[in-house]
Amino acid sequence: KQEVTQIPAALSVPEGENLVLNCSFTDSAIYNLQWFRQDPGKGLTSLLLIQSSQREQTSGRLNASLDKSSGRSTLYIAASQPGDSATYLCAAMDSNYQLIWGAGTKLIIKP
Amino acid sequence: NAGVTQTPKFQVLKTGQSMTLQCAQDMNHEYMSWYRQDPGMGLRLIHYSVGAGITDQGEVPNGYNVSRSTTEDFPLRLLSAAPSQTSVYFCASSYSRTVRNEQFFGPGTRLTVL
Repeated sequence: KQEVTQIPAALSVPEGENLVLNCSFTDSAIYNLQWFRQDPGKGLTSLLLIQSSQREQTSGRLNASLDKSSGRSTLYIAASQPGDSATYLCAAMDSNYQLIWGAGTKLIIKP
Repeated sequence: NAGVTQTPKFQVLKTGQSMTLQCAQDMNHEYMSWYRQDPGMGLRLIHYSVGAGITDQGEVPNGYNVSRSTTEDFPLRLLSAAPSQTSVYFCASSYSRTVRNEQFFGPGTRLTVL
């Protein structure tokens, strides 16, 4: 059974720093790996989707990588800003087309 | 476009009561789903639908019913609420159930069962 883990559960960094969020999964048989952002009291917003055949995707200051052989994905945020403060969730799409979710990393960017 | 809408935003129920959580989307998406989010855990799939008239169970379907009479609406019914159903519920939709489609989420319903 696929399991997705995000460590750490919370992270606090000063504004301007580059940072990496981690996501690991136990079964490499995935169709894609997705990163979402969740703001308090709001729904989830899709950030990046990496297909299983891809190694990385980029959107603005965000870069997500995927290494299926090691069961890892990372979300790199460049030049962090206070507006980046949110909970970041990753989800792996398994062979049944179902998304298996990590519990998230709560990110706080200090001004 | 309003995207995915959910009502109500907050709800308090007593054990044994029933209620329906509403979800609607105006993007003509075929695939819709319901998740619950509990503290310290990832989202878990309750039920999903790949089109009008077609529904199926997810990981945690017990205690919940769904129907899909139209493309736009996908209500979630709690038959007899239990404290274990206290959670935040999210509805999501996408164009289809394939590997390439972005999912859109509603703002969530925070449910407390006393």
